[in-house]
Amino acid sequence: EDKVVQSPLSLVVHEGDTVTLNCSYEVTNFRSLLWYKQEKKAPTFLFMLTSSGIEKKSGRLSSILDKKELFSILNITATQTGDSAVYLCARLPNSGYALNFGKGTSLLVTP
Amino acid sequence: SAVISQKPSRDICQRGTSLTIQCQVDSQVTMMFWYRQQPGQSLTLIATANQGSEATYESGFVIDKFPISRPNLTFSTLTVSNMSPEDSSIYLCSVEDLLLIGYTFGSGTRLTVV
Repeated sequence: EDKVVQSPLSLVVHEGDTVTLNCSYEVTNFRSLLWYKQEKKAPTFLFMLTSSGIEKKSGRLSSILDKKELFSILNITATQTGDSAVYLCARLPNSGYALNFGKGTSLLVTP
Repeated sequence: SAVISQKPSRDICQRGTSLTIQCQVDSQVTMMFWYRQQPGQSLTLIATANQGSEATYESGFVIDKFPISRPNLTFSTLTVSNMSPEDSSIYLCSVEDLLLIGYTFGSGTRLTVV
């Protein structure tokens, strides 16, 4: 089955902590893996990963894809309360355009 | 990146009625996508809307329940027909954003059916 599994499902941390969110998948052949931040309704784009082992970075957020071990991680350093959101991982298959989403990790950053 | 205006932002509807959701993009796009996110669940693709042709529906979704229009390259509507409480969800439109090299989502419509 073509599952995208995210872990943990939820996480509570204190401001300043570093968090690592995980995304694992089962299908080896795909175009890209994407990360989104969903605060209310609309997911906002964070990263698109196509190649294995190449880290993408944006401010305090970074992400990397491991195609051999079939997972990706999203790191957030020096967390802030504004980082509180659901983080979604999605796989873009080789054919078609349907993003296959995981259920997300709900992150709460407390002051 | 592409900017998508989606409306309504939210609505509370009576069962048996229909609601039409609109998405306007600030640039021309070939394909627009409609997703549903049921409470506590992930996003699921309903259909892909191409201008000038019938929408392509994913397994479990049918045109009679979710008719889609795509009159031009910047606009699309999704109608949720004959609603039941099980249709209570967030509905999102999305486009492939070649500048962003990713997919951009509209602001979403939170639908509650009572």
